[in-house]
Amino acid sequence: EPEVTQTPSHQVTQMGQEVILRCVPISNHLYFYWYRQILGQKVEFLVSFYNNEISEKSEIFDDQFSVERPDGSNFTLKIRSTKLEDSAMYFCASRYRDTANYGYTFGSGTRLTVV
Amino acid sequence: DAKTTQPPSMDCAEGRAANLPCNHSTISGNEYVYWYRQIHSQGPQYIIHGLKNNETNEMASLIITEDRKSSTLILPHATLRDTAVYYCVNSGGSARQLTFGSGTQLTVLP
Repeated sequence: EPEVTQTPSHQVTQMGQEVILRCVPISNHLYFYWYRQILGQKVEFLVSFYNNEISEKSEIFDDQFSVERPDGSNFTLKIRSTKLEDSAMYFCASRYRDTANYGYTFGSGTRLTVV
Repeated sequence: DAKTTQPPSMDCAEGRAANLPCNHSTISGNEYVYWYRQIHSQGPQYIIHGLKNNETNEMASLIITEDRKSSTLILPHATLRDTAVYYCVNSGGSARQLTFGSGTQLTVLP
């Protein structure tokens, strides 16, 4: 079964450093998303992306965050200057269509620890 | 905030059916009900979704009430590997984002 692949599985970074989280969505999917989950809390939407543009973003997705599809397979989330409160699991997801009738496929996540 | 309400936890004996309820009384006419589960801290796993009719796939069945204000996810023969947090989610008025609540921690007991 097709999978969404995320790397690395665990990233430790110092506060103030830039991090890039990488995702390879399912190959024929067109819509891409990032969600995050702070330990013990709910899964939260960050951003959706289609046709090389952000479609929607949440309040969490401020100027410190950016997304990019640098080539035909990768989808990245960059945090420019990490803060302690950015520590969380970050999940990439993709789906073929951006309509209510299509489910998401999530990756296994990247655990980001900011120290 | 999430538009769904679920019990925080449930237990089920291995081999028995697990019935997980969800209240989504404010769901609008074009919103689907989705069920996902999360095992430990892995990514949410899609289980099933529906609009009005009951649905069944290889993982589960989804029963939606006629007024669409609630639904029940049924795992017909729960196994220990079904222990997870189960989320009932609707699209929150936008097909692009999912709004997760706290879910139901299902524990399948041997």
